[in-house]
Amino acid sequence: AQTVTQSQPEMSVQEAETVTLSCTYDTSENNYYLFWYKQPPSRQMILVIRQEAYKQQNATENRFSVNFQKAAKSFSLKISDSQLGDTAMYFCASFSGTSGSRLTFGEGTQLTVNP
Amino acid sequence: EPEVTQTPSHQVTQMGQEVILRCVPISNHLYFYWYRQILGQKVEFLVSFYNNEISEKSEIFDDQFSVERPDGSNFTLKIRSTKLEDSAMYFCASRDSTRYNEQFFGPGTRLTVL
Repeated sequence: AQTVTQSQPEMSVQEAETVTLSCTYDTSENNYYLFWYKQPPSRQMILVIRQEAYKQQNATENRFSVNFQKAAKSFSLKISDSQLGDTAMYFCASFSGTSGSRLTFGEGTQLTVNP
Repeated sequence: EPEVTQTPSHQVTQMGQEVILRCVPISNHLYFYWYRQILGQKVEFLVSFYNNEISEKSEIFDDQFSVERPDGSNFTLKIRSTKLEDSAMYFCASRDSTRYNEQFFGPGTRLTVL
């Protein structure tokens, strides 16, 4: 079974600054994927970034990047140059194709970007 | 870009009534999912569906729930006799077999059971 833990229920950051959201996970699988999803007030789930566990290089998507520490089972999300539109709930999630096809989500971190 | 759609956006029902939540996955996707999110809580997996059958279900997905792909486009979740605790946001998702296992989510249906 997979578990995902986000220990920061809420975070805030000033516009244009950088913020890091933490996530740890536990899995016995060797082949798995990790994701960060954003859920704005509309409650739509939007994929922010993904990381394949077999890749050592950290994924980046414009202002979003991850710090993937496989040995520590840590997968943090860094948002640079924060914008007001980044205000949302952020969910870390894991997927393993070998142990079922479900996404396992963390508890979420509510990020507020202040002007 | 293709997207997953869900109807209705909001459904209000009386306890004990049956509801059907509808989803249209992305047309070339093969794997389909339902998740739910009770207000203020994490997103929870309900069921996955592939090749016209359930491939996995969670402990939440009891006999009150069923899924169906009645035609080539729709994917439905039925709750036979709703309970107050079924009030939640229900998300449909789909993916293909090649795109890095990314699941594309619909906008959700908010179910309110009175």
